[in-house]
Amino acid sequence: EAGVVQSPRYKIIEKKQPVAFWCNPISGHNTLYWYLQNLGQGPELLIRYENEEAVDDSQLPKDRFSAERLKGVDSTLKIQPAELGDSAVYLCASSLTSLAGEETQYFGPGTRLLVL
Amino acid sequence: GENVEQHPSTLSVQEGDSAVIKCTYSDSASNYFPWYKQELGKRPQLIIDIRSNVGEKKDQRIAVTLNKTAKHFSLHITETQPEDSAVYFCAASRMGYSTLTFGKGTMLLVSP
Repeated sequence: EAGVVQSPRYKIIEKKQPVAFWCNPISGHNTLYWYLQNLGQGPELLIRYENEEAVDDSQLPKDRFSAERLKGVDSTLKIQPAELGDSAVYLCASSLTSLAGEETQYFGPGTRLLVL
Repeated sequence: GENVEQHPSTLSVQEGDSAVIKCTYSDSASNYFPWYKQELGKRPQLIIDIRSNVGEKKDQRIAVTLNKTAKHFSLHITETQPEDSAVYFCAASRMGYSTLTFGKGTMLLVSP
């Protein structure tokens, strides 16, 4: 079974430029998450989707960050414009959510962003 | 919201020793507690989890204990090996209602 796929793995941009990250979850997983991981810290949730609906985006800085999951499968996270403080690893995860609740979250390899 | 505290931030042990990492959580409604291992530059990977209807779970050299009254849970690794060296994250959530809140991580170094 293929795991969560993310691209690109690395991205270097200048501040004020736009950047986009892509995630393809594990087949059949209806819940998708985007996390931000700063160096030496645990992942912090940016947004959670159940199918195509964003059910928790309370931690997403909406002035510059946006995300979409149009067909309820893969997802894109965008930053426009990027700031120096956005340098971090952006992790995508997926899980299968049933009536019993969320099951195990599986993480992708992450996209390491460096803003110069 | 949930707050998860994790200690210690770094832990150095000799190969063959045991390692214990502790976490506390604030939301008494949390009922799912996974542990993830993250090697340098790699994705977090689930190594063990526990739900609030049990107090302990073991998987070979790894065990997790949960004290719901005190709101803390711990990861125990016995007979540590150099390949256990990584950052370990605890997390907590209320299944079906909230997503995971992670601790800040513990860097475990196992010296040969």
